[in-house]
Amino acid sequence: DIVMTQSPESLTVSLGERATINCKSSQSVLYSSNNKNYLGWYQQKPGQPPKLLIYWASTRESGVPDRFSGSGSGTDFTLTISSVQAEDVAVYYCQHYYSSPLTFGGGTKVEIK
Amino acid sequence: QLQLQESGPGLVKPSETLSLTCTVSGGSISKSNYYWGWIRQPPGKGLEWIGSISYSGSTAYYNPSLKSRVTISVDTSKNQFSLKLSSVTAADTAVFYCARQSEGLYTIFDYWGQGTLVSVSS
Repeated sequence: DIVMTQSPESLTVSLGERATINCKSSQSVLYSSNNKNYLGWYQQKPGQPPKLLIYWASTRESGVPDRFSGSGSGTDFTLTISSVQAEDVAVYYCQHYYSSPLTFGGGTKVEIK
Repeated sequence: QLQLQESGPGLVKPSETLSLTCTVSGGSISKSNYYWGWIRQPPGKGLEWIGSISYSGSTAYYNPSLKSRVTISVDTSKNQFSLKLSSVTAADTAVFYCARQSEGLYTIFDYWGQGTLVSVSS
């Protein structure tokens, strides 16, 4: 199984500041034949299902604000919120879809200072 | 707009079988390349993929950690897919989500249901 490790577990930032969340996979999720990283990011607010933010490591889902961006390749990935807004308070999860079983990171909780 | 809705008992006794259904509206469940999955989240914890099934029901993939207890099936006539988890214990208490993968098993979950809490208790 590919283990997804997120850091930090929680993050407290001021409004308008940058937030950076890291996700590391125990093996590469880059598929060489198409040069795609099989990695996505979700946002989950209390009492709600996860909402897709980013797929293929860096492609923003339609309707997602451009302050959210994904980067990285192979085994190391980052979700960046360029200017945190109050509505971004949530838990963020990475997930690989490179092989079965599909697995998620443990989550990173983002709070406002 | 595609919508998914989970339904089923909110309370199941230990050793019994948990059964949930996901009803898909706003689109066909049997569109080529679609996979339909189940994910669970114990209270206050992270997400765990349970398994996914192809649009035709011909191919299913399960998490090895649950494989011996899980069956996922599709009913295209009702635009639904279902989850059965046998021999449940308190450790199976969780919010269960159904979700869609639009281009096969190795794609992201792009649409999710609201989730349903299932408690295992006598």
